[in-house]
Amino acid sequence: AQTVTQSQPEMSVQEAETVTLSCTYDTSENNYYLFWYKQPPSRQMILVIRQEAYKQQNATENRFSVNFQKAAKSFSLKISDSQLGDTAMYFCAYPSGGGADGLTFGKGTHLIIQP
Amino acid sequence: ETGVTQSPTHLIKTRGQQVTLRCSSQSGHNTVSWYQQALGQGPQFIFQYYREEENGRGNFPPRFSGLQFPNYSSELNVNALELDDSALYLCASSLGERALETQYFGPGTRLLVL
Repeated sequence: AQTVTQSQPEMSVQEAETVTLSCTYDTSENNYYLFWYKQPPSRQMILVIRQEAYKQQNATENRFSVNFQKAAKSFSLKISDSQLGDTAMYFCAYPSGGGADGLTFGKGTHLIIQP
Repeated sequence: ETGVTQSPTHLIKTRGQQVTLRCSSQSGHNTVSWYQQALGQGPQFIFQYYREEENGRGNFPPRFSGLQFPNYSSELNVNALELDDSALYLCASSLGERALETQYFGPGTRLLVL
């Protein structure tokens, strides 16, 4: 079975600090995408960043960047200059079965940004 | 551009009843996927529809069924509700048959089964 592992159930940092959330995955597919989604208490799942596996360059989106290690099947999310609004659940996910089996999600990391 | 919308936002049902949840996809998207998210867990894939046909299904029993309409909106139906069906149900839309592109989520429907 294809799996996604997020080993940090909860993390807490001070505002303006940098934090890294880890994610490892297991897939036999060669071409795929990887996603980080954010789910604030309002519960709507919001896309944070996306990485295409065939691209060696790590994706960046303003304060958010990834460290993608394809051989190690690792896909961590770095948040720089963290803000109070970054407090949320963060989920790592990828499309299973070449996209036919929906997204497989990790269990999530609850990130708390302290003032 | 209109995002993904879902209705209702909350719902309370009793065990054994049937429920229908609704989703309107983002403009231009032709694939709709449904997920069940239990409290404290990541979403679990239920099924997805592409151009009115189911083209992918997760490990959910047949009492979970769905429809997609010509305008690409979708319904999730759950028969013979069980207590464990209590969860947040998320709908997501994307472009393309295999949902490889980014999926955009709606706000969800919170279902409570008593």
